Amino acid sequence: AQTVTQSQPEMSVQEAETVTLSCTYDTSESDYYLFWYKQPPSRQMILVIRQEAYKQQNATENRFSVNFQKAAKSFSLKISDSQLGDAAMYFCAYRGIQGAQKLVFGQGTRLTINP
Amino acid sequence: NAGVTQTPKFRILKIGQSMTLQCTQDMNHNYMYWYRQDPGMGLKLIYYSVGAGITDKGEVPNGYNVSRSTTEDFPLRLELAAPSQTSVYFCASSYSATGENTEAFFGQGTRLTVV
Repeated sequence: AQTVTQSQPEMSVQEAETVTLSCTYDTSESDYYLFWYKQPPSRQMILVIRQEAYKQQNATENRFSVNFQKAAKSFSLKISDSQLGDAAMYFCAYRGIQGAQKLVFGQGTRLTINP
Repeated sequence: NAGVTQTPKFRILKIGQSMTLQCTQDMNHNYMYWYRQDPGMGLKLIYYSVGAGITDKGEVPNGYNVSRSTTEDFPLRLELAAPSQTSVYFCASSYSATGENTEAFFGQGTRLTVV
């Protein structure tokens, strides 16, 4: 079964600085998708960024980018120029493309932005 | 643009009572999921469905039941509520991961307290 591990329960960063959230996963599949979701205090799950495993190029979305290392099964999220609105829980998630295509989540990292 | 709609948003149940959490989506997604999120934790998969008439257990199915009679609806039934079922419940839906749009869309969540 696939597993996703986020080893940093909490992180903090100064406003305007850069922070990196870590995620590792375990799978025997060769093709899959990885996601970062943001959950602010409103509880809503918001997609931040998506990476297709077959693509070598790391995904970017404005201030958000990933470092995808397929061989190491690592998928970190970098947030540049941190803003107060970035404060939230961040979840890493895996989705296979075979069979049930279950979406599996990590435990989450709570990100605090210090003004 | 309703997306994924969950009802109710909040509910307090007494031990031993039963209830159904409703979930409906208007995006014609074939995949639907139910997760629970305990305080400070990630999302754990309860049940999922790959299409109308097809459901299967996730990671934590005990104490729950689901049905999927239509593409749009995926209700979650709690029988004989227990304090351990106090949690926030999320419904999500998505297209097949082999298509262009692979991310899951989430409802607003239901905060359930069993006393």
